[in-house]
Amino acid sequence: DAGITQSPRYKITETGRQVTLMCHQTWSHSYMFWYRQDLGHGLRLIYYSAAADITDKGEVPDGYVVSRSKTENFPLTLESATRSQTSVYFCASKLTKGDYNEQFFGPGTRLTVL
Amino acid sequence: DQQVKQNSPSLSVQEGRISILNCDYTNSMFDYFLWYKKYPAEGPTFLISISSIKDKNEDGRFTVFLNKSAKHLSLHIVPSQPGDSAVYFCAASDTGANSKLTFGKGITLSVRP
Repeated sequence: DAGITQSPRYKITETGRQVTLMCHQTWSHSYMFWYRQDLGHGLRLIYYSAAADITDKGEVPDGYVVSRSKTENFPLTLESATRSQTSVYFCASKLTKGDYNEQFFGPGTRLTVL
Repeated sequence: DQQVKQNSPSLSVQEGRISILNCDYTNSMFDYFLWYKKYPAEGPTFLISISSIKDKNEDGRFTVFLNKSAKHLSLHIVPSQPGDSAVYFCAASDTGANSKLTFGKGITLSVRP
């Protein structure tokens, strides 16, 4: 499929388990981002990547790990899930140009940690 | 410390009337602003943007106004339609290759038929 996809769309897990959320884009965008959306907080940046093998922390990185071995994939791993990580997670990507900052979002993954 | 503020959590308007969604920011380095629209169970989609060198940008029924001195922007939807009912996020960034978006909390717009 063209565009940006996320899998799974829904996930229920238990506290302490490792969970990986997948993100794939077909545009060859250099930049990719992970956000979480929570009531009362809007969208908060977890991690971002400027290119393959280049990642950096966002506003709320604790408890998360990312990697980017290929330009098109940007997985997000919760190494030991906690209830506070129950949220909706969005992946996004954007073109390289610095002065054109529109990001394109995936459909989201709703994660519930019991 | 919230740098982008959408102080009203919700707005309800009648179909055909104007919807005005407000957004304030505190970071003087922000010079590019965007509005995203989000339907339930979908990702946010880009709606309209404005650079700080402008004070108005229009796209069909959607117009964004920027008041730099007041650090305030607003999104006007005229006329409002039931399909406009969604959550609207205001976002801001500085320009630069590694610039990132800072989002507000969002406002839920309901357009009554």
